[in-house]
Parts: sequence; C-alpha cells; structure tokens
Amino acid sequence: GQNIDQPTEMTATEGAIVQINCTYQTSGFNGLFWYQQHAGEAPTFLSYNVLDGLEEKGRFSSFLSRSKGYSYLLLKELQMKDSASYLCAVRTGGYNKLIFGAGTRLAVHP
Amino acid sequence: ETGVTQSPTHLIKTRGQQVTLRCSSQSGHNTVSWYQQALGQGPQFIFQYYREEENGRGNFPPRFSGLQFPNYSSELNVNALELDDSALYLCASSSTGGQGAGYTFGSGTRLTVV
Repeated sequence: GQNIDQPTEMTATEGAIVQINCTYQTSGFNGLFWYQQHAGEAPTFLSYNVLDGLEEKGRFSSFLSRSKGYSYLLLKELQMKDSASYLCAVRTGGYNKLIFGAGTRLAVHP
Repeated sequence: ETGVTQSPTHLIKTRGQQVTLRCSSQSGHNTVSWYQQALGQGPQFIFQYYREEENGRGNFPPRFSGLQFPNYSSELNVNALELDDSALYLCASSSTGGQGAGYTFGSGTRLTVV
C-alpha cells in the first residue's frame, strides 16, 4: 500500500528552528515535495527532492534519504507567518500522481 | 503568466444533486490533476488529464468524472452527491504529464453537501 506519515501538530517559538519529519512507503518513487498550506488556501510549493541529500532555499531546507524512505523539512528563523500546515507528498505511479500525507500543523508562538 | 483559477470558490449542494467544478490551467501547462481534501486531511488524488485524456485515477467511484478541453482547462463532475463529498476540491496544473517540480495549485472550491 501507499503510506506517508508526518506528525499531526508541532509548536515552536518565533526565531527558532523546527524540523518536520516525513516517512513514506510507496510503490514507486519519482520525487518528494513539501508544500505549505494556510487554512482554506491553495498549497504553495516549498521544495522538491528527487536525489538523496539536502536542498536549501533561503530559510527552508529539505532532506531526502530514499533508502530510508525519509525526508525532513527544516525551517529556520521562524516567523509568525510560518504558522500553517506543511504537506509532504510523494510522486509515484506511471502517470506521476502525488500522494500526500495528512499534513503537520505548525503553530509559531512569540 | 496566469496562475490556476478555480470556480466557484464556494458551493452548497443538496444530497443527490450533481455538481460541476471548473479549473483553468496555468499558461504552458498541459496536464491537470484533481484532488479532494477533507477537513484536517491531506489532498487525495482523484484523477489526472493529459492532452484531453484521463491518464490516471485514484480510488474514487465512477460518479466522479472529468473532462479536459483543448485549451487544457478542466472540469470535475460529481453525480449523486453524498454528505461525505463535502471537502475542498483542488486542481493542479503541470507540464509534460507531471514531470518536474512545476505543479501549480488553484485556491480550490469548497463544496458543502447538506
């Protein structure tokens, strides 16, 4: 079957660093995505990993280990506006569908 | 370049009715996929259209159907609505059948079935 696990909720302090983990078991793998979603809004693209290693993009970094079925999203210098849900998604299948985890709700406090 | 536009933004329907949701793809994108997102859950893949043909389907019954038009815009039709169909429906456009990192999501249609 297809399974993507990520923590349901996390809290952090403004200015701190937070790491959101994602583990996956899928039939096929063609890339892993992280999206940010504010309540009632569209998911917005944060990062994409297809090879093992770390991808850095400003305050956001994402890591992938394909052999372990594991990824994390690292958010640095947290801001209040980073309070949102963070979705981990694996692209799989011959037609490249995205399979999403349930999302991690991050609350950033002053 | 324009983004992905979905209409309507909100909709209330009665159980048993039919609904059509619309999505315009981003300029240069030829692939549209549809997702259902229940409250507090991640999006679930419904189906994908590439060059006007359905080329992938998730675990949804046949009463969920779709179309893609020559300009790559798309419709999602749901017949015989059930209460559990209440959700945020998202469409995402991409190029080359979904390769690369270029998925762009619309803001969604919030469907409430009463």
